[in-house]
Amino acid sequence: DGGITQSPKYLFRKEGQNVTLSCEQNLNHDAMYWYRQDPGQGLRLIYYSQIVNDFQKGDIAEGYSVSREKKESFPLTVTSAQKNPTAFYLCASSMSDLSPLHFGNGTRLTVT
Amino acid sequence: GQQVMQIPQYQHVQEGEDFTTYCNSSTTLSNIQWYKQRPGGHPVFLIQLVKSGEVKKQKRLTFQFGEAKKNSSLHITATQTTDVGTYFCAGLNTGNQFYFGTGTSLTVIP
Repeated sequence: DGGITQSPKYLFRKEGQNVTLSCEQNLNHDAMYWYRQDPGQGLRLIYYSQIVNDFQKGDIAEGYSVSREKKESFPLTVTSAQKNPTAFYLCASSMSDLSPLHFGNGTRLTVT
Repeated sequence: GQQVMQIPQYQHVQEGEDFTTYCNSSTTLSNIQWYKQRPGGHPVFLIQLVKSGEVKKQKRLTFQFGEAKKNSSLHITATQTTDVGTYFCAGLNTGNQFYFGTGTSLTVIP
């Protein structure tokens, strides 16, 4: 079955540590996205990539970094510079800018 | 900056009652998509509207895109317990970025 896989489902880290969230898709989609979801705030765009080896900042990119070395993979690193990293992180992909987004199951990150 | 607001934030209805959520953008949108997120789950695509004044139906769900392409609504007729979840609109602006609304959380009381 085609889809998006995010791992792990739950992640716990100590403050000051960088952490990388995995996102893999086998839908052959060109575009991939990272969103952050906080209660009552909807989904906010962190980074997106429309093609391999290229990515753009979203509205809340500070404290995050990404890479897109392969079409299938778009890992997100939450750095120690991110002031409030505890959140639910969702990865998504789409065939093109105007196509529906397909979401992974999400990773819930808790930093203490 | 770009803002997409949804109202209400929460809605509790008795099973069988109707439900409507409204989505309003500060700027004109190229298109609008609607997603449903079940509790503990991830958003799932429902529908996309592109044309000014467009109306689409999916069984008990009716979606509208405003004439000015700045607002949209989702109406559910005769809610069922399976309709429980948070409904998000997502608008595509002229910069080809999707902006998600704040969501409306629907609770259906049996």
